[in-house]
Amino acid sequence: EPEVTQTPSHQVTQMGQEVILRCVPISNHLYFYWYRQILGQKVEFLVSFYNNEISEKSEIFDDQFSVERPDGSNFTLKIRSTKLEDSAMYFCASSGGLGETQYFGPGTRLLVL
Amino acid sequence: GQQLNQSPQSMFIQEGEDVSMNCTSSSIFNTWLWYKQDPGEGPVLLIALYKAGELTSNGRLTAQFGITRKDSFLNISASIPSDVGIYFCAGLRNAGNMLTFGGGTRLMVKP
Repeated sequence: EPEVTQTPSHQVTQMGQEVILRCVPISNHLYFYWYRQILGQKVEFLVSFYNNEISEKSEIFDDQFSVERPDGSNFTLKIRSTKLEDSAMYFCASSGGLGETQYFGPGTRLLVL
Repeated sequence: GQQLNQSPQSMFIQEGEDVSMNCTSSSIFNTWLWYKQDPGEGPVLLIALYKAGELTSNGRLTAQFGITRKDSFLNISASIPSDVGIYFCAGLRNAGNMLTFGGGTRLMVKP
C-alpha cells in the first residue's frame, strides 16, 4: 500500500540553525501538506502546496518557514533560523485532490536546543 | 479560528467494553475524518465521512457525520488492548485543504 515517507525520523539542532525536513508524498497525489504537533498537543496545520505553489498557510507559517518541491518526488519544509519553540513533531501529508482524504507520514521529531 | 472540541480527553476502560467519543464545532465542516495516533508515529486514517448523516463502519469502528455538519462521533465496540492510542477527529471545510484537528481522546484499555 502506498505511503508517505519522511526523513529524518529525528533531528536535533542548535537554536538559530537552519533545518530541512524531507517528505516523499504518495506518488499520484497532487496536494501536499505540512502539519506540526507540539508534545502533548493537537496537530496543527502549517501549509498546503499545489501546482508548485502555496495554496493555503496558517499564522504559524511565518517568514522563517518555506516549502519546496525540488523534483518530482520530494517535498521539503525549511526552517531558516530555528527557535526553541519550533521543537515539535512535523508531519507531511498528501492527498489526491482538493477535499480528499489526507494521508500522513510517520513524522520528524525536531528538537531545538 | 475554527475549533473542534473533542471529548472525552481520556478514557480508561476494560477490555471488551464499548467506547464512544465525539467532536463538536460551532462551524460547519464538509468532511469529517477520524485518525488514530500511536506514540511517536503519524496519524493513521480510520474512517472518512463525506455526507451529513452518513454512518460508516470499519470493522469494530463506527462513525457518524452529524446532520448539522457540526459534529461527529466514533464508536469502538468490544475494545482490545491494541486499541490503545490517541484518537483525533479532524474536519475539512469546503474552501480549502486545511485540516482542523480536535484535541484528541487518549484511550487506555486494561486487559
